[in-house]
Formats: sequence, structure tokens, C-alpha cells
Amino acid sequence: DAGITQSPRHKVTETGTPVTLRCHQTENHRYMYWYRQDPGHGLRLIHYSYGVKDTDKGEVSDGYSVSRSKTEDFLLTLESATSSQTSVYFCAISERGTGEGGMNTEAFFGQGTRLTVV
Amino acid sequence: KQEVTQIPAALSVPEGENLVLNCSFTDSAIYNLQWFRQDPGKGLTSLLLIQSSQREQTSGRLNASLDKSSGRSTLYIAASQPGDSATYLCAVVNYGGSQGNLIFGKGTKLSVKP
Repeated sequence: DAGITQSPRHKVTETGTPVTLRCHQTENHRYMYWYRQDPGHGLRLIHYSYGVKDTDKGEVSDGYSVSRSKTEDFLLTLESATSSQTSVYFCAISERGTGEGGMNTEAFFGQGTRLTVV
Repeated sequence: KQEVTQIPAALSVPEGENLVLNCSFTDSAIYNLQWFRQDPGKGLTSLLLIQSSQREQTSGRLNASLDKSSGRSTLYIAASQPGDSATYLCAVVNYGGSQGNLIFGKGTKLSVKP
């Protein structure tokens, strides 16, 4: 299994409080991603990183920020949690391949963080 | 905008049956397609990755095919077992500037009855 650890695994927080989720990898992969999974919507990209201090927005980035100060760590912050951010959050990693077109290699996912905002 | 569809949403089969899961995508300009398995309450486990230049990949009882021109992929599971029960997800990476971002279908929930 790819070395990806998400913390915490479960969290209950109150509306309006800040929350930070952590993703830690031991694979030295360049690319890291945060997705959320919701019934009826499937998995959607929140933010991603293509290197230390290099991040960009995904499909559902409103209300979220990210930071990557080291290759191995990618943090997702909910500045002021809302009930609509109750979800399961997954971190993923991949690498740029060396083959034709430099296509990304296989993506690996963490075990997820179940966040409930009450 | 790329859209990925998986039909059916749920499938129930008796143990031992060979089965096919379907995945379709609207934009054929993809880097690769990846199949995942997700057990209830768990993360995603990668099953197979097919690069855009490939037609199929095999791993044990699993075989995934890719037809980019028609925007389709299939995951074939041979001799299904109760342990294969899970949700199967397919995802594509779009060509050009996507940084490896995966676009997912909503999955097929498979139940294999003993």
C-alpha cells in the first residue's frame, strides 16, 4: 500500500469553527490532491498541489484553502466550517511519468477523514 | 466539460458469474483511465490503470479495456466471488494541463451472492 496517512480519521466540529485536515505521504510524489465524496455527487476535486508551495483550485474550492510547505504534507483548511462541508475527505497522490507525454502515474488514495459539522 | 458515467448504478450477481462493468466518458482526449474499488467506509483501492495509448490491462481475474474513440471502458471480472462485493469507480485524467486531476463516475455497487 502507498504510504498515505490522513489525520484525523473522524472529526465532529461546530459551525463557524476552523478545521484543518492533514495528509502525509512517504512516497515523495510531486502531486497531491484533496477530494470530497458525497452521496449523489461522487468524488469531486477541492484543491491540488503540483509541488511545494504550488497549489491550485479544483471544482469545489469555495470555503477551503490549502498549504504545502513540505513535499510530504498537504493541509486542507476549512476557515469557518458550514454544515454543507459535512463530507468524507480523501487525499490522493500521483507522480508525473517518464513515458510518452509525461502522463501521470497511478493515483493512490488515503483512508479518508469523515467530517461532521453540527 | 468531461463527464464520466457508470451504468448500472447497482448490480447483483450469483457467485461464479463473469461480469462486466461499464464506464463512459464524453471527451476522448484523456491521458489515462483508472479503475478503483471502494469498500464501505474505506478509501479507494487502485485496481488498474490504462494509459491512453493502451487498449487493455489485466490483473488476476480483472481485465480492463479502453476504447478512446468511442469514449468507453469496461472492467471484466471473471469467476466473481462474494469478496468482490464493493463499489467500483472509474476515473479519467483529461489531456492537457490537468495536472493529473481525476474526474470520477458515481460508481457501480456490486453485490456477489454466495
